[in-house]
Amino acid sequence: DIQMTQSPSSLSASVGDRVTITCQASQDISNYLNWYQQKPGKAPKLLIYDASNLETGVPSRFSGSGSGTDFTFTISSLQPEDIATYYCQQYDNLPRTFGPGTKVDIK
Amino acid sequence: QVQLVQSGAEVKKPGASVKVSCKASGYTFTSYDINWVRQATGQGLEWMGWMNPNSGNTGYAQKFQGRVTMTRNTSISTAYMELSSLRSEDTAVYYCARGIFGGAFDIWGQGTMVTVSS
Repeated sequence: DIQMTQSPSSLSASVGDRVTITCQASQDISNYLNWYQQKPGKAPKLLIYDASNLETGVPSRFSGSGSGTDFTFTISSLQPEDIATYYCQQYDNLPRTFGPGTKVDIK
Repeated sequence: QVQLVQSGAEVKKPGASVKVSCKASGYTFTSYDINWVRQATGQGLEWMGWMNPNSGNTGYAQKFQGRVTMTRNTSISTAYMELSSLRSEDTAVYYCARGIFGGAFDIWGQGTMVTVSS
């Protein structure tokens, strides 16, 4: 199975800050990487697919980049409604696997 | 609107089985895979498997092989996930999710809490 790691596991930032989360795959997954946002008590929401493509309706302050084994997710200007846990997920191989998540809150 | 609506919470005893339903609406049910993902309280997301509603073909994570069965009823646009030989570690929220672009999950059900307790 492909193992996904994320860092940091949690972070606190101020409103308006730039926030960056990294995701690393245990092997080359090309750009087969998605990012999800999950708020407490809610289902995950797809934000970014194929490493860098913004899902329809998702604010442009969210972005993703990377390929191969190293990926980055960025919130350009953190908003109060962005408080959530963020997960990366690979789909290069079965089983699909998720990173352990990064919890983002407001400082 | 496009949505997946899941069945309600379940409480089961160890060794029993549970069957969770996922009803699709707002799109052609047979055009997209359905995946199942679970999440134990305070934990991360764990993919269990997928099903092609058109063909009925399935693929399961090795961890669940032999215990999970994914089926569908196309006449009512509903997918099912049955997990057998339940143990306490299976206590979790179970989500169905529509698969797109080969491996992204763009529409999720609201989740079904399954509690396994004696």
